[in-house]
Amino acid sequence: DAKTTQPTSMDCAEGRAANLPCNHSTISGNEYVYWYRQIHSQGPQYIIHGLKNNETNEMASLIITEDRKSSTLILPHATLRDTAVYYCIVRGYSGGGADGLTFGKGTHLIIQP
Amino acid sequence: DGGITQSPKYLFRKEGQNVTLSCEQNLNHDAMYWYRQDPGQGLRLIYYSQIVNDFQKGDIAEGYSVSREKKESFPLTVTSAQKNPTAFYLCASTGLAYGDTQYFGPGTRLTVL
Repeated sequence: DAKTTQPTSMDCAEGRAANLPCNHSTISGNEYVYWYRQIHSQGPQYIIHGLKNNETNEMASLIITEDRKSSTLILPHATLRDTAVYYCIVRGYSGGGADGLTFGKGTHLIIQP
Repeated sequence: DGGITQSPKYLFRKEGQNVTLSCEQNLNHDAMYWYRQDPGQGLRLIYYSQIVNDFQKGDIAEGYSVSREKKESFPLTVTSAQKNPTAFYLCASTGLAYGDTQYFGPGTRLTVL
């Protein structure tokens, strides 16, 4: 799986859009980009994933650049409950099965009141 | 209520004792995973299984053992051979189709005294 690079921490004001960047310059054509978040002492929560096109669901939007070398997770109206560590993960498939996910240290997003 | 359950949430053991962590899923997922998380770090893969009665070592399998006798269950045993067993342990599961999402349980925090 390709490696990802994320900022260590970010601040965002409550009610504003939070934009979390991720670089994955070595991504290959069949690898998806996944985003998870983890609130302290809880299991990671799935947010969204995409392959080539931009994606949106009830939690967030995912913008993937045309060359797929970077992406941005957008939380449109951040609340205090969005304070968490956000992980960007690139995942491919090998051997016909589903290997584990490779987690970096993620971005610690702090929503300020 | 569907999902992944892990029990117990907190577990204390004396040094030198083996301990088994439970993970059950009712999502009908074929693949199940165990990860370890240390403070301030990302998740690291211990073991995974894509089918009943078969499993593969992850990046940090030494000192751990698993079994997969039923599709919905994937218990992890932390043996006395694991040098630093105190950690947060997370179980996950997913289907095997390309693009399927991996979902996580709430985690078990193991403290070895």
